[in-house]
Amino acid sequence: QKEVEQDPGPLSVPEGAIVSLNCTYSNSAFQYFMWYRQYSRKGPELLMYTYSSGNKEDGRFTAQVDKSSKYISLFIRDSQPSDSATYLCAMSGGTYKYIFGTGTRLKVLA
Amino acid sequence: GAGVSQSPSNKVTEKGKDVELRCDPISGHTALYWYRQRLGQGLEFLIYFQGNSAPDKSGLPSDRFSAERTGESVSTLTIQRTQQEDSAVYLCASSQGDTIYFGEGSWLTVV
Repeated sequence: QKEVEQDPGPLSVPEGAIVSLNCTYSNSAFQYFMWYRQYSRKGPELLMYTYSSGNKEDGRFTAQVDKSSKYISLFIRDSQPSDSATYLCAMSGGTYKYIFGTGTRLKVLA
Repeated sequence: GAGVSQSPSNKVTEKGKDVELRCDPISGHTALYWYRQRLGQGLEFLIYFQGNSAPDKSGLPSDRFSAERTGESVSTLTIQRTQQEDSAVYLCASSQGDTIYFGEGSWLTVV
């Protein structure tokens, strides 16, 4: 079993839809959780960072962490074609070792 | 600098040649990482530097790969005798705390 599992997609949604992207993990030592957005032929860009259970909101993006279920989510409200990218989850146990999901490809259709 | 800077952004090389990739981290970031990302794949950890401590080289795939970092500044990833399977984007990241920030990557194609 991989330490982090992420559905590779692709996920296609119409413009304006609410998007839910998810990762599950197996290591209960993970404390810090991040979401990155990666456009084609670009480096990953940090979107959200959280270290506690619950929700964190930033504009149209909400990161949710459920440590009891070892499950994290990224919600995108009012999705736009410009949100089309690959979304990577990442997590760490407070050391320098970050574990990344394989990424979910999202396509928002105009 | 404002962000992690990598060069070259694109490199096409012949099989068997050596390549050198450079990373300039965010100013003040003591930690520096190299990752490899093959087309359609996840991020593969290569090496980690933290200040003047011994680097964690556990992710380097073979002895053809090496990396250096001078203090807390630039780092160079060297691939000797390149093979076609080395074709990938090589991402550098730096960190000062709990999150890491990536550069745009060096896209390597071995022909």
